[in-house]
Amino acid sequence: EAGVAQSPRYKIIEKRQSVAFWCNPISGHATLYWYQQILGQGPKLLIQFQNNGVVDDSQLPKDRFSAERLKGVDSTLKIQPAKLEDSAVYLCASSPRQGAPYGYTFGSGTRLTVV
Amino acid sequence: GQQLNQSPQSMFIQEGEDVSMNCTSSSIFNTWLWYKQEPGEGPVLLIALYKAGELTSNGRLTAQFGITRKDSFLNISASIPSDVGIYFCAGQNYGGSQGNLIFGKGTKLSVKP
Repeated sequence: EAGVAQSPRYKIIEKRQSVAFWCNPISGHATLYWYQQILGQGPKLLIQFQNNGVVDDSQLPKDRFSAERLKGVDSTLKIQPAKLEDSAVYLCASSPRQGAPYGYTFGSGTRLTVV
Repeated sequence: GQQLNQSPQSMFIQEGEDVSMNCTSSSIFNTWLWYKQEPGEGPVLLIALYKAGELTSNGRLTAQFGITRKDSFLNISASIPSDVGIYFCAGQNYGGSQGNLIFGKGTKLSVKP
């Protein structure tokens, strides 16, 4: 079974620029999550999708972050404009059912550096 | 928001030693999870606990769900070099409307051969 695919693996941008990350979940997984992991911290949920609908985006900084999952499969996360404090690893995860611990699989992440 | 306190922050041990780490919360969870993260990778689930007082093993790993539902611990017996990584606890209220994971800050484990 293929895992959660994320791209790019690394990205370096200047502050105030825009950036987008892509995630392709495990086939058949209805739930998709984006997490932000700042160096030395545990992952923090940004947004959760169930199929193509948003379940929880309470911790997403909506003035600069946006995410979509238009066809209920792959998803993009965008930051515009980026700030220095957005430097982090952005992890995508998917699960077959909302919140189910087993089968809740993380991708390898995109490491973003804002300079 | 909810926070998990995970300790110790880091551990340096000799191969063959046992390791213990724990996690406490100010809130109740109905599920506790332990993950391991290696450099450049996402977290990988090690053990999931669903019931207060539950003790579960996965090979050399043993984890327990605290009776108050506000804490959990993970033990690793007879450590080996491949145990190196960052171990995260996570609390979840599985079955709720969202079920998202709340992570601790991690315990970085280093094993000296």
